Amino acid sequence: DTGVSQNPRHKITKRGQNVTFRCDPISEHNRLYWYRQTLGQGPEFLTYFQNEAQLEKSRLLSDRFSAERPKGSFSTLEIQRTEQGDSAMYLCASSSKQHNEQFFGPGTRLTVL
Amino acid sequence: KQEVTQIPAALSVPEGENLVLNCSFTDSAIYNLQWFRQDPGKGLTSLLLIQSSQREQTSGRLNASLDKSSGRSTLYIAASQPGDSATYLCAGGGGGSNYKLTFGKGTLLTVNP
Repeated sequence: DTGVSQNPRHKITKRGQNVTFRCDPISEHNRLYWYRQTLGQGPEFLTYFQNEAQLEKSRLLSDRFSAERPKGSFSTLEIQRTEQGDSAMYLCASSSKQHNEQFFGPGTRLTVL
Repeated sequence: KQEVTQIPAALSVPEGENLVLNCSFTDSAIYNLQWFRQDPGKGLTSLLLIQSSQREQTSGRLNASLDKSSGRSTLYIAASQPGDSATYLCAGGGGGSNYKLTFGKGTLLTVNP
């Protein structure tokens, strides 16, 4: 399968713990996006990479959130000192330079107890 | 700031009916518009992408239109089937260096056998 993959698919953690999610984009895609989706809402943009450069961050991305894409391939999203309000589905998407169609992964569902 | 609205929030139809889902957006400088399907607890599946220079796109039983001047897009589903039951999301993409998608809240479609 050459689609976008995300790991883990589910994560349950206690408040105050740190968590890290991984996204592997479609191999030839140089653009990578992170979104967050809560129940009954559409996804909300968090951040965007072109190759290894992080070009935009939403105000939703507080200082507890950090994202990296060190070699321009996979990306990680880390949340430090998790809060119950961080519980959501975290979605990753990728697109190519030639076409703007974004392809999404299956998401990582985070539950903070 | 781009805002995307989808009407209706939910729709229930009998199998075989043709239907239209509506999407409106506030910023006519939209770069592209993408329609997605989301099954419960899953990621997003891209259905159609309409570039700003296009008026419509077709894929099988699906047809999406884009009218930038009125700030509207529609997704037409012909001969609906129970397997079409899902949440349908539309998202507007920005241009230039801003490729992020702004999503509506979605329309929950139920096709009854």
